[in-house]
Amino acid sequence: AAGVIQSPRHLIKEKRETATLKCYPIPRHDTVYWYQQGPGQDPQFLISFYEKMQSDKGSIPDRFSAQQFSDYHSELNMSSLELGDSALYFCASSPQPEQFFGPGTRLTVL
Amino acid sequence: AQKVTQAQTEISVVEKEDVTLDCVYETRDTTYYLFWYKQPPSGELVFLIRRNSFDEQNEISGRYSWNFQKSTSSFNFTITASQVVDSAVYFCALSEPSGYALNFGKGTSLLVTP
Repeated sequence: AAGVIQSPRHLIKEKRETATLKCYPIPRHDTVYWYQQGPGQDPQFLISFYEKMQSDKGSIPDRFSAQQFSDYHSELNMSSLELGDSALYFCASSPQPEQFFGPGTRLTVL
Repeated sequence: AQKVTQAQTEISVVEKEDVTLDCVYETRDTTYYLFWYKQPPSGELVFLIRRNSFDEQNEISGRYSWNFQKSTSSFNFTITASQVVDSAVYFCALSEPSGYALNFGKGTSLLVTP
């Protein structure tokens, strides 16, 4: 069965740079969620999209933005990166209420 | 306020022991969903189970079983005859119909040694 695809899997950036993370949900899933998991922490909800419209917002910094495109893939854009942004970023695909997670993108900010 | 509490930070057992992971939740909604996810050392989040608030029936899947009790707001997870491959961090999570975003507990790190 098709799973959630995230790219890149690993990303290394310098402080103040920008990063774009991509998520390709499971076909026919209409909702995408983004989560951030810091080292040793639980995943924290950032933002979600339903049918290409933002549906809910969590603890997403103003420096971050996201969107869902017509083909349902989603991108998380992160600007002015800080050391504290180093984390595992998960995308989850959902027919609601279940959420199936991608493998994550590990972002390291140096 | 934390909506999901996993009081056990770390548990260590010897292979073949049974182990129960506790989860207590808090919500004002009458409709909600509870989940367990497994995060092995490789990092991915693996969906294990979902329970609806209106279905208190306990569930068993192989060596895994779940005990949902609304009276005590608990959703505990038991692994019978644990194996080394069960070593992982286990997260309990709650979602509510207002967006369905998952609120995770802090996780319980389970170590199963031979």
